[in-house]
Order: sequence, then C-alpha cells, then structure tokens
Amino acid sequence: DVKVTQSSRYLVKRTGEKVFLECVQDMDHENMFWYRQDPGLGLRLIYFSYDVKMKEKGDIPEGYSVSREKKERFSLILESASTNQTSMYLCASSPRTGGYSNQPQHFGDGTRLSIL
Amino acid sequence: GQNIDQPTEMTATEGAIVQINCTYQTSGFNGLFWYQQHAGEAPTFLSYNVLDGLEEKGRFSSFLSRSKGYSYLLLKELQMKDSASYLCAVRDRTNAGKSTFGDGTTLTVKP
Repeated sequence: DVKVTQSSRYLVKRTGEKVFLECVQDMDHENMFWYRQDPGLGLRLIYFSYDVKMKEKGDIPEGYSVSREKKERFSLILESASTNQTSMYLCASSPRTGGYSNQPQHFGDGTRLSIL
Repeated sequence: GQNIDQPTEMTATEGAIVQINCTYQTSGFNGLFWYQQHAGEAPTFLSYNVLDGLEEKGRFSSFLSRSKGYSYLLLKELQMKDSASYLCAVRDRTNAGKSTFGDGTTLTVKP
C-alpha cells in the first residue's frame, strides 16, 4: 500500500527557531511536494522536487527551503520560524507524469505546526 | 498559471444527489483530479479526467469539458460519511506534474 509518512502530527516551536519537517515515501516516486493548508486559502504549493537534489519554487516559497538528498525523503525547512507560518503542512508524492498518466498525488497525514 | 474556482460550501440530504462544480483557467492542462478530505485528515484521490466526458466510479462520477474549462463531481445516494471537503486540482504539463488546487467545497450531509 502507498505510504507517505510525515515525522510529526503536531509540532510547537518558538519564533526564530529553525524548524525541520520530514517526509518519507515508500513508492519510489520521482516527484515530491510540500504544501501548506490554511482555512479559506486552500492548498498552496511551497516547493516541489522532480528528482534527487532537484528543487523548484512553488507559489509561496518565501521563508522556506527544502532538501532532497535521497529519492524517498523530502525535507521542508523553516529558516527562522515566524508566527505567520503557523499552519497545516502536507507532503505529497507522485510518479513522473509522462503522457496522460492518471496517477494522483499521495498525501501524508500532515503536520500541524504552531509557532509561538 | 492556473486559476480554479469552486463553491465554498454546499449542503445536501442523506440519500440525495449533489453536484460540485469546478471551473478553471489554465496555461497548460494535463488532467483534472478530484480529492476528498475529511476534517483533520489528508486528501485522498477520488477521480481523474483528462479527456472530455464522464468517468463513473461507483457512487461518484466526474465530468470534464476542456473547451469550457469546466468539471463537476457528482455524488449519488449521499451518506453521512460523505460530509467532507472536495478539492478540484488541475495538473500542468511539466514532468513534475505540478497541480494547482481549488480552495475546496465543504459538503455537509444532513439526515
């Protein structure tokens, strides 16, 4: 069965801290994604990666960075956490999408991050 | 880029049929997905359309018109457990298959 695992369900950090959110998938997928989800704003893409060591900015990359050293792992880093980064963070993965691939993104359970 | 619109909220009665609409403007199209998300949980895949027409999967069906930039999700024989948020997502043509999500439609099923 498809599995995307996020390291924490709930996390509380302080303003200014460096925060690491980890995501691991066991499906050998090329593509991995980080989103944040806020009420009324839907799912917004922060960063994505289509291969090891490759990364692309999404729609809201400011204040974040990512790391993809191994195919199965995609880390989101908050360089200096701020209160406006309090949110639900969702990781997803999908296979490479050539042609009319019907393969969806598979999501982890999410990390609810609070920055105090 | 992509722009996706769907209603914010809908209410329906158990046993009824409900249609959730999604309109989109896109600079590149490689399929439209519908996901279901229960409160506090991850989105899960429901359906996929890339060609015009209707795709049926049990109680759920999804329709696509590429020329109109329009899709709908049809839920039949509604059950209480169908109360959830339904997300419309359009995938682009890059290798990464980046998708843009709508804000979601919160469906409440009442007895």
